[in-house]
Amino acid sequence: NAGVTQTPKFRILKIGQSMTLQCTQDMNHNYMYWYRQDPGMGLKLIYYSVGAGITDKGEVPNGYNVSRSTTEDFPLRLELAAPSQTSVYFCASSYSSATMGTQYFGPGTRLTVL
Amino acid sequence: AQSVAQPEDQVNVAEGNPLTVKCTYSVSGNPYLFWYVQYPNRGLQFLLKYITGDNLVKGSYGFEAEFNKSQTSFHLKKPSALVSDSALYFCAVRVNTGGGNKLTFGTGTQLKVEL
Repeated sequence: NAGVTQTPKFRILKIGQSMTLQCTQDMNHNYMYWYRQDPGMGLKLIYYSVGAGITDKGEVPNGYNVSRSTTEDFPLRLELAAPSQTSVYFCASSYSSATMGTQYFGPGTRLTVL
Repeated sequence: AQSVAQPEDQVNVAEGNPLTVKCTYSVSGNPYLFWYVQYPNRGLQFLLKYITGDNLVKGSYGFEAEFNKSQTSFHLKKPSALVSDSALYFCAVRVNTGGGNKLTFGTGTQLKVEL
């Protein structure tokens, strides 16, 4: 299994440009998540999904959109990039479980908005 | 609301010495607590979790954590540190509202193990 894969690894955007961060998992997990990581701030949840066709906002959703058309894929869309969106973005997935399935993380996408 | 606090930005320890990385939590209801590790330029990796049962939880790479309900703490420990343990460590707690088994993470503690 490849686990959770993310593309691209790095990207530089100009202010106002748009892009999609791709995330794919091959573990048949029904829960998926997008986080951003800023220095000294830990990880903040942007959006999450409990299954295909179902998404919900996390702690910091403004400026982002998601979709979940399949179990495997959970892309994150930035419509109008702003310098405040410069960050490292991580996708994660887990089983749904009453005993709290472990979240598995992708390698991250480092995004710079200039 | 659920939260975790990691009071130390950095912990320095000599190789072979015991290490402790501190975490305190605030949660209504029963806490589900986690430790993750992040190596440079990598995603987070799961170390261990406490859901219920024994207060001492054993995890990957020789790490363990002690759940202390009266002190609302979940400190990460290892009896003998290795240079290869140097990394960024995150404590996390499950968010009890809504679905999706969401986590709230602490701000992280940088562990540096020196020869």
